[in-house]
Amino acid sequence: EPEVTQTPSHQVTQMGQEVILRCVPISNHLYFYWYRQILGQKVEFLVSFYNNEISEKSEIFDDQFSVERPDGSNFTLKIRSTKLEDSAMYFCASRDYKRGGDYNEQFFGPGTRLTVL
Amino acid sequence: ILNVEQSPQSLHVQEGDSTNFTCSFPSSNFYALHWYRWETAKSPEALFVMTLNGDEKKKGRISATLNTKEGYSYLYIKGSQPEDSATYLCAFIYNTDKLIFGTGTRLQVFP
Repeated sequence: EPEVTQTPSHQVTQMGQEVILRCVPISNHLYFYWYRQILGQKVEFLVSFYNNEISEKSEIFDDQFSVERPDGSNFTLKIRSTKLEDSAMYFCASRDYKRGGDYNEQFFGPGTRLTVL
Repeated sequence: ILNVEQSPQSLHVQEGDSTNFTCSFPSSNFYALHWYRWETAKSPEALFVMTLNGDEKKKGRISATLNTKEGYSYLYIKGSQPEDSATYLCAFIYNTDKLIFGTGTRLQVFP
């Protein structure tokens, strides 16, 4: 069964360093997302991406964050200069376009745990 | 600010018990409600997508109902098994396709 994959599963970095989190969405999906969960808090939306551009972003997704689909299969989240408060589990998700539209289920990857020291 | 709440936060039951938990969401501008099952170290797995008031969906021993007028959804597990142990997340969609998640209910089923 097709699945969303994410690498690495765990990333440890120093404050101020750049990190790139990688995701491979399900191959025929057209909509891509990043969410994160800070320990003890709710899963929160970061950004959605469609047709090679950002469709929507949250207040969290400031200039330090960027997303890219560099080669038609990978979907990446870059944090330019990490802060302690960026420590969280980051989830990638993807969604198909089919009848049902925006309601359709989003398929999630297993997450990357980012620890900023 | 749109708020989605789930209760209880955690639940411990014996194998064979039936259980249920609640997701509360804003009743205005409702588009859809998603239920996910999330086991530690695995991907959250979609259980149900619910869109219509009065919807009732079932997958094996798990079922869910939806009341959009009063803003709640129930998830039921009949005859809980240890493999049902997971965190159950609900997520609300109101005008775009971003998911607004609840806090989750952590279920532990003891043999």
